[in-house]
Amino acid sequence: AQTVTQSQPEMSVQEAETVTLSCTYDTSENNYYLFWYKQPPSRQMILVIRQEAYKQQNATENRFSVNFQKAAKSFSLKISDSQLGDTAMYFCAFMKRPTGNQFYFGTGTSLTVIP
Amino acid sequence: GAVVSQHPSRVICKSGTSVKIECRSLDFQATTMFWYRQFPKQSLMLMATSNEGSKATYEQGVEKDKFLINHASLTLSTLTVTSAHPEDSSFYICSARSGQGITGELFFGEGSRLTVL
Repeated sequence: AQTVTQSQPEMSVQEAETVTLSCTYDTSENNYYLFWYKQPPSRQMILVIRQEAYKQQNATENRFSVNFQKAAKSFSLKISDSQLGDTAMYFCAFMKRPTGNQFYFGTGTSLTVIP
Repeated sequence: GAVVSQHPSRVICKSGTSVKIECRSLDFQATTMFWYRQFPKQSLMLMATSNEGSKATYEQGVEKDKFLINHASLTLSTLTVTSAHPEDSSFYICSARSGQGITGELFFGEGSRLTVL
């Protein structure tokens, strides 16, 4: 079975600063996707960034980037120039290929951006 | 991106009654939809995978007779909580996959908060 671990239940960061959220996972699969999802107070989950395991290059989406270490099974999210709207729960998720029918979510990290 | 809508967003019911929650993919066809349950400050727990035109696949520990899932069309899946009890109070979230194959992204509904009195 796949497990996803987020060891930081809560984090805070000053506005405009950089913060890194940690995620580790355990799998015997070699082909999979990793995701970071954001769940703001409105509760709807929004995809932040996606990484394909076979790609060595770290994914980047504007202020969001990941540090994907496949051997270490680590997938951290870096948020640069933090904004107040980044305040939310962040979930790391794993999906194995080729079936792709199950997402395994971490327990989440509550991020607060402080003005 | 693709839009998934849930209805109702909030529902309060009496113990022993049944409640239906709808999940619709508004601008794409979803052959597979997923139902999650989320407790306060906790992660999403997958309850079942709903495939259009076939029976849902339930996760271990989820009562299929309690949580009835129907996926009658490519844009609609419903979750019915039968004979609801206070312990069924929770936040229920649906999601759907857009496109064919495994491009990966899931789109989530807004969630439905069920309160059973």
